Amino acid sequence: GAVVSQHPSRVICKSGTSVKIECRSLDFQATTMFWYRQFPKQSLMLMATSNEGSKATYEQGVEKDKFLINHASLTLSTLTVTSAHPEDSSFYICSARETRGGGTGSSPLHFGNGTRLTVT
Amino acid sequence: KQEVTQIPAALSVPEGENLVLNCSFTDSAIYNLQWFRQDPGKGLTSLLLIQSSQREQTSGRLNASLDKSSGRSTLYIAASQPGDSATYLCAVRLSGNQFYFGTGTSLTVIP
Repeated sequence: GAVVSQHPSRVICKSGTSVKIECRSLDFQATTMFWYRQFPKQSLMLMATSNEGSKATYEQGVEKDKFLINHASLTLSTLTVTSAHPEDSSFYICSARETRGGGTGSSPLHFGNGTRLTVT
Repeated sequence: KQEVTQIPAALSVPEGENLVLNCSFTDSAIYNLQWFRQDPGKGLTSLLLIQSSQREQTSGRLNASLDKSSGRSTLYIAASQPGDSATYLCAVRLSGNQFYFGTGTSLTVIP
């Protein structure tokens, strides 16, 4: 089955530093990947849609200068949390939808295992 | 705005019981609905995907139904096992890329 690999699974960083999270589709191509954030006991919230070869689309309230997204290839998207602060501590999950033919959009989402970010 | 609600928030059942998890959504103009499983501190595993034109999907002991007109979906788990213990999330997708997740049902199956 389709596998999405997310790395690292856990990261602890100091306030003010930047952290990069990678999301790879291992056995399929994904022109579109999604980044979510989940706070404890809350729903997953979509942060941005990552489009291969173009700029990401950010959801309302998400700072694009703080959460930099790069989707340089059909199998890799990265999320960089810049100048991290303790309030950025959260669980970040990426997902990808397999691009099939013209990309019907009806294929299921496949999720990475998530990254637990702790900013001290 | 689409709101997705899952009831109950938590459920504890003895092993072997059949159970039903509920998901309701406010905007019936959905593209599809997907059920996921989330283990503590981990990502999501897709269980079943139901297109808007479908009424149900089955995979092993799992059966998911969709009633768009009433804004409801159910996930039926037959003969529950301790390994089924996890949080179950439903997510609805509208015509764009936006997915709306419920807050989940935390299931504990007691051996």
